[in-house]
Amino acid sequence: NAGVTQTPKFQVLKTGQSMTLQCAQDMNHNSMYWYRQDPGMGLRLIYYSASEGTTDKGEVPNGYNVSRLNKREFSLRLESAAPSQTSVYFCASSEGRRGGMRAGYTFGSGTRLTVV
Amino acid sequence: QQQVKQSPQSLIVQKGGISIINCAYENTAFDYFPWYQQFPGKGPALLIAIRPDVSEKKEGRFTISFNKSAKQFSLHIMDSQPGDSATYFCAATRSGAGSYQLTFGKGTKLSVIP
Repeated sequence: NAGVTQTPKFQVLKTGQSMTLQCAQDMNHNSMYWYRQDPGMGLRLIYYSASEGTTDKGEVPNGYNVSRLNKREFSLRLESAAPSQTSVYFCASSEGRRGGMRAGYTFGSGTRLTVV
Repeated sequence: QQQVKQSPQSLIVQKGGISIINCAYENTAFDYFPWYQQFPGKGPALLIAIRPDVSEKKEGRFTISFNKSAKQFSLHIMDSQPGDSATYFCAATRSGAGSYQLTFGKGTKLSVIP
């Protein structure tokens, strides 16, 4: 099925460990995004990529890095995990042009990360 | 600074009733206002969206009302059903060249009881 695929679905890390969350979309979308979702906080943008080869910080970028590997893939890396990074992480994609917003964002099903 | 304020945080409605969720925004440059629906364990999915050149948009039982002068918009779910029980997020963005960074409200957990 077409859409956004995130891996892994669940992960437990120890403080200080590193990991990379993977995201791939097969809709030929130009723009991709990483959000985190915390109870009572809604969805907050971590990083985004307007198009292949570009990345920019969002609202809460500290402690994260991203790589837009190609048009399909956008990864999120935690270099040294902290308990404050315990969250549900969502990757999303969109066409990224004016007409494309009629379809909005397509979200993945999320990665549930716990840092102990 | 929270650019999109959403209320209430939670809402309980009886089956057949009307669910109303409200959002207010601060940035007058915002010109696209979608609503997303999220079921437990799933990612959000686009439900309905509106641009400020119209005051109302209806799709089935879901209606967005938009008040540009008040910088407010709301989601109405008519004849609410148990299957509508989910978390709803309003969002806003400014269209233009490049990507569209959606700013989300904090969400409303809707429970529709039989």
